[in-house]
Amino acid sequence: KAGVTQTPRYLIKTRGQQVTLSCSPISGHRSVSWYQQTPGQGLQFLFEYFSETQRNKGNFPGRFSGRQFSNSRSEMNVSTLELGDSALYLCASSLASVVSGYNEQFFGPGTRLTVL
Amino acid sequence: KNEVEQSPQNLTAQEGEFITINCSYSVGISALHWLQQHPGGGIVSLFMLSSGKKKHGRLIATINIQEKHSSLHITASHPRDSAVYICAVRGSGGGADGLTFGKGTHLIIQP
Repeated sequence: KAGVTQTPRYLIKTRGQQVTLSCSPISGHRSVSWYQQTPGQGLQFLFEYFSETQRNKGNFPGRFSGRQFSNSRSEMNVSTLELGDSALYLCASSLASVVSGYNEQFFGPGTRLTVL
Repeated sequence: KNEVEQSPQNLTAQEGEFITINCSYSVGISALHWLQQHPGGGIVSLFMLSSGKKKHGRLIATINIQEKHSSLHITASHPRDSAVYICAVRGSGGGADGLTFGKGTHLIIQP
């Protein structure tokens, strides 16, 4: 069974631009969560989508948004990029919504975003 | 908001040594995850625990809910175990805040 895939793997943007990252979950998984990893803050939860609905959201500004399609693939968008948005963005999929509690997550390889 | 503390932050050991990494959290949880991250970024889920103990190969994870503490043990450590080990918890309130992560433990196993 194929793992979680993320595209692109690397991305360079300039301040003020916007970016869209894509995540394809493991077949049959309906939940996709997004995380940001930086050297200073470590891993932080961005949001989770389940059955095309955002189920919960971390403490990030409204410039960070996402969506999920009927095939469970998910995209996240960051508008008006800032230097501090440079990070590794990871998505993880699971069978059911993580809100239900006990749920193993499978991580993708990440997208490394550099904002110049 | 749950606070997750890991210790030690950095650990260098010789091949074959028994390794222990600790994780403490501040409020009740529904589950605790141990993750492994190799250079390059990919994360692998090692264990998910809500009570007791789990074992997979040379890795053992334990959790004490009353003490709000978990440990990850590696027996007969090997250089390929060199990685960052991250503890993450999900709150008991239905997981509305997603996972909260520790800062990670950088483990180096020297041959």
